[in-house]
Amino acid sequence: SYVLTQPPSVSVAPGQTARIACGGNNIGDKSVHWYQQKPGQAPVLVVYDDTDRASGIPERISGSNSGNTATLTISRVEAGDEADYHCQVWDSSSDHVVFGGGTKLTVL
Amino acid sequence: QVQLVESGGGLVKPGGSLRLSCAASGFTFSDYYMSWIRQAPGKGLEWVSYISSSTIYYADSVKGRFTISRDNAKNSLYLQMNSLRAEDTAVYYCARGASSGWGWFDPWGQGTLVIVSS
Repeated sequence: SYVLTQPPSVSVAPGQTARIACGGNNIGDKSVHWYQQKPGQAPVLVVYDDTDRASGIPERISGSNSGNTATLTISRVEAGDEADYHCQVWDSSSDHVVFGGGTKLTVL
Repeated sequence: QVQLVESGGGLVKPGGSLRLSCAASGFTFSDYYMSWIRQAPGKGLEWVSYISSSTIYYADSVKGRFTISRDNAKNSLYLQMNSLRAEDTAVYYCARGASSGWGWFDPWGQGTLVIVSS
């Protein structure tokens, strides 16, 4: 079955750029979607189809996907960006939805 | 606005059954794929099941034990969970999929907690 690998944690200072990776075999051939989840809340879609921002998501949040790694980039990080971030794909070979393990973003 | 509200969670003994419901509003329910996704305490997201108008998929971990269904007339999604195990303990989210194709999920409900314990 298809596996998505995310680092458990990423730390960044306010105002800096955070990059959260999502690794998978030839993930560049798939559409990757990203969710933000704050403590005690349901996940919220932030990026879909690799690069498209969901409604209401600021331009400083962006996505990219190539080769074996998709990346969620958050520029000018703010305290309010502190959350868990999850990547997701549809694996057509198994007809399964696959989530990465999630990455906790800490704003120092 | 688009809203999903889950209900039906609770405490159940191993081997028991539970039926979750998700009430949808603010959009044409029948036009969208719908899904159940769960999150065990302190863990990541795990997809459970997905339903379109004619196709259903299940995660291997629940296949044969869980049944997803929808009632478009009632704008409702359901998850019948049988033979429950301790490892099924999680918050269960209802989420709207794409209008076509197996894509992203937006929005998600607030979740309902299922605890399987003796």
